[in-house]
Amino acid sequence: SAVISQKPSRDICQRGTSLTIQCQVDSQVTMMFWYRQQPGQSLTLIATANQGSEATYESGFVIDKFPISRPNLTFSTLTVSNMSPEDSSIYLCSVLPYWVAGGGETQYFGPGTRLLVL
Amino acid sequence: AQSVAQPEDQVNVAEGNPLTVKCTYSVSGNPYLFWYVQYPNRGLQFLLKYITGDNLVKGSYGFEAEFNKSQTSFHLKKPSALVSDSALYFCAVRAGSNYQLIWGAGTKLIIKP
Repeated sequence: SAVISQKPSRDICQRGTSLTIQCQVDSQVTMMFWYRQQPGQSLTLIATANQGSEATYESGFVIDKFPISRPNLTFSTLTVSNMSPEDSSIYLCSVLPYWVAGGGETQYFGPGTRLLVL
Repeated sequence: AQSVAQPEDQVNVAEGNPLTVKCTYSVSGNPYLFWYVQYPNRGLQFLLKYITGDNLVKGSYGFEAEFNKSQTSFHLKKPSALVSDSALYFCAVRAGSNYQLIWGAGTKLIIKP
């Protein structure tokens, strides 16, 4: 398994500002992901953070709004830019410790960052 | 299109009774099925998974799940529910060479004393 920490755990921000969320893993992992979750709802994948290259974004998410960095195999950041109240959500970092084509590997999650935009 | 269905938004069970949280899936190829639990104000915790082999999979906290290929189901079960099992449960599936998980909508499990 992997132990994942996120900072900050929660924040209240003003509209128009930006917040950077950090994700730290206790071991090197192959893949890192960023999800968004409304409380009590399912998960929506924002992007896959690729080490040493640009992130791969899902439909409906763009780099200008959610820039992502992944400088090494244990760390990634997600920035929520020019925030609006609609960005209020839980942001979850997730990792696949390793990947072999086949699909049985377990994905692990960080504790989440609870963001409220006023 | 690949999908996961959790037909019940909420399941209510009395403490000590058996519980079942339902999950059905639709994928092309062999499915890899997962259950996660989310306690209030927490991240998702992995409970168990089915890859291959025995259709009955045992996981954390006394939970188990049965893979049924003909019914394309992977229901989560526990013989005797605890109040502390109250949480949000997610079923997810991965198929083929795509690493992405397809998520169900989640089922809120409420265990009453």
